[in-house]
Amino acid sequence: GQQVMQIPQYQHVQEGEDFTTYCNSSTTLSNIQWYKQRPGGHPVFLIQLVKSGEVKKQKRLTFQFGEAKKNSSLHITATQTTDVGTYFCATPGGSNYKLTFGKGTLLTVNP
Amino acid sequence: DVKVTQSSRYLVKRTGEKVFLECVQDMDHENMFWYRQDPGLGLRLIYFSYDVKMKEKGDIPEGYSVSREKKERFSLILESASTNQTSMYLCASSSGGEKLFFGSGTQLSVL
Repeated sequence: GQQVMQIPQYQHVQEGEDFTTYCNSSTTLSNIQWYKQRPGGHPVFLIQLVKSGEVKKQKRLTFQFGEAKKNSSLHITATQTTDVGTYFCATPGGSNYKLTFGKGTLLTVNP
Repeated sequence: DVKVTQSSRYLVKRTGEKVFLECVQDMDHENMFWYRQDPGLGLRLIYFSYDVKMKEKGDIPEGYSVSREKKERFSLILESASTNQTSMYLCASSSGGEKLFFGSGTQLSVL
């Protein structure tokens, strides 16, 4: 099935610093979704990107889908302690409704 | 709001026991999924179902089976639990190729 590599695995930042996680594939992706999992919680959907070169923003979060639709990124500007958690990318693999997840990036923020 | 309910938050079982994990969703979603989450390995798909009585293997189906007799309920069965099945199990549902809604998870310990 479709595989996505997510980097970095861990990221520790000082509050106020920026943060970026990347999702890369060797093949073209039909779409990509991003999820956030707070410590002790379950993954919660953030956004879906479908179009080549698409950029979407949610407050301090900026999501990008590459021109070749082989990579995606999530950038957080001026991190806050509430941003702590694991961020996952996910993409359909094999069939449209079966999602394959990246291994996630654990973000910790030092206040 | 969509609600995906998993029957137990924590479960402790003995090696060789038959284990049932239950999941119920209230949004009439066609698709339901079982993932397991382990540190450093992210979310791995065990089985999914796209309709009543229909199922497909995910990436790690060995040692598991599933049942979907009613649209709202998707059960994960460990026929003979083993210690390497100690994990966090997450159920999810979706409609079409849309976002996944996750339950709160069941932390299963097999002793």
